[in-house]
Amino acid sequence: KNEVEQSPQNLTAQEGEFITINCSYSVGISALHWLQQHPGGGIVSLFMLSSGKKKHGRLIATINIQEKHSSLHITASHPRDSAVYICAVQLSEGYYDKVIFGPGTSLSVIP
Amino acid sequence: EAQVTQNPRYLITVTGKKLTVTCSQNMNHEYMSWYRQDPGLGLRQIYYSMNVEVTDKGDVPEGYKVSRKEKRNFPLILESPSPNQTSLYFCASSLSLGLEQYFGPGTRLTVT
Repeated sequence: KNEVEQSPQNLTAQEGEFITINCSYSVGISALHWLQQHPGGGIVSLFMLSSGKKKHGRLIATINIQEKHSSLHITASHPRDSAVYICAVQLSEGYYDKVIFGPGTSLSVIP
Repeated sequence: EAQVTQNPRYLITVTGKKLTVTCSQNMNHEYMSWYRQDPGLGLRQIYYSMNVEVTDKGDVPEGYKVSRKEKRNFPLILESPSPNQTSLYFCASSLSLGLEQYFGPGTRLTVT
């Protein structure tokens, strides 16, 4: 079983739809990151969370430490949101400075 | 402009020919890390560095070496590359552990 899992694996949405991507993990963490990778390959950090909720523009990220679960929401989706979204966790048990990545969720937003 | 740079961006080489991929950041970040990305396996951590002269292994360190002699630079060394090291490599840095990471543009390496 992978230590970091994401769902769905692939997602196609119509422009304007509300999108949710989920991340669940089975290890102790000190922080969770949401990353965005565009088709060209570049990776951008969207959020770093250790508790609660963060919002940046149309993007909202939440984390529930007790349930070991995080969600990334995109409101009013747009074709430029098409990308792979990757969840990454910073471990807290023993190897607290290591990072483990989820497999990614490929999002395609159709005009 | 705050950035992480990697060189080269693309490299095709042959088995056994030593190579170095450079990584440099201009943000005075303490934490730097190397990752590789492979289809079906996603991103995996190779090595990381908490500060100058402090480095440690990630999940897939075999066949790689790193050094951190200066804060801004964190080169990745492949002493004897093999075809299974064909991959897309990313360097990243952050001000300190647990904070937002800034990624370089990636280096696409092919070993024949």
